[in-house]
Amino acid sequence: DSGVTQTPKHLITATGQRVTLRCSPRSGDLSVYWYQQSLDQGLQFLIHYYNGEERAKGNILERFSAQQFPDLHSELNLSSLELGDSALYFCASSNMVGLGEKLFFGSGTQLSVL
Amino acid sequence: GENVEQHPSTLSVQEGDSAVIKCTYSDSASNYFPWYKQELGKGPQLIIDIRSNVGEKKDQRIAVTLNKTAKHFSLHITETQPEDSAVYFCAFKPEGSSNTGKLIFGQGTTLQVKP
Repeated sequence: DSGVTQTPKHLITATGQRVTLRCSPRSGDLSVYWYQQSLDQGLQFLIHYYNGEERAKGNILERFSAQQFPDLHSELNLSSLELGDSALYFCASSNMVGLGEKLFFGSGTQLSVL
Repeated sequence: GENVEQHPSTLSVQEGDSAVIKCTYSDSASNYFPWYKQELGKGPQLIIDIRSNVGEKKDQRIAVTLNKTAKHFSLHITETQPEDSAVYFCAFKPEGSSNTGKLIFGQGTTLQVKP
């Protein structure tokens, strides 16, 4: 168990809908990362938050947004969902920023858009 | 661009044999190279990492080697066991990432260890 909690584990929704994925980092970790894993794209970096502040953005769609709250949990919001958004979404946390930062991943949220 | 090529995509070995997975990265200024193992239904888990100031690092049956000149790094698993069966990902931390720990991942290698 990595100590990173993601909810829900599975999410089934329809095209055009909006969903929210939640992540609780390990106790004491200030950084939260979101990754998308699909069969054809592998593990793609979406966004990084450190202590509530956005630090880096990857190829995150404009329909997607994220935030990190004062209690350090994070939410990833996906809107106007398309079939191609179906994927496994991972959250990872770490307790430092810089060289050699070790990321601890949660078990993921499997999103199915029908 | 920021990318890393990982080979092979699948690897099948007999229990007790060695397994080698290789990666080539794009960013010559990168200096941190971790390897993650992902078991079915779980998130990736860090198994070993190496920084650019060393050429090799070992942890029991697992070793990683780094050739910065060629921009290659490899994962070596010796005396493989059935529980080593999983998907393995290489990754690197791109240049200009001093204020973020974002990693760029390879496409993954599915390792099957046959009893």
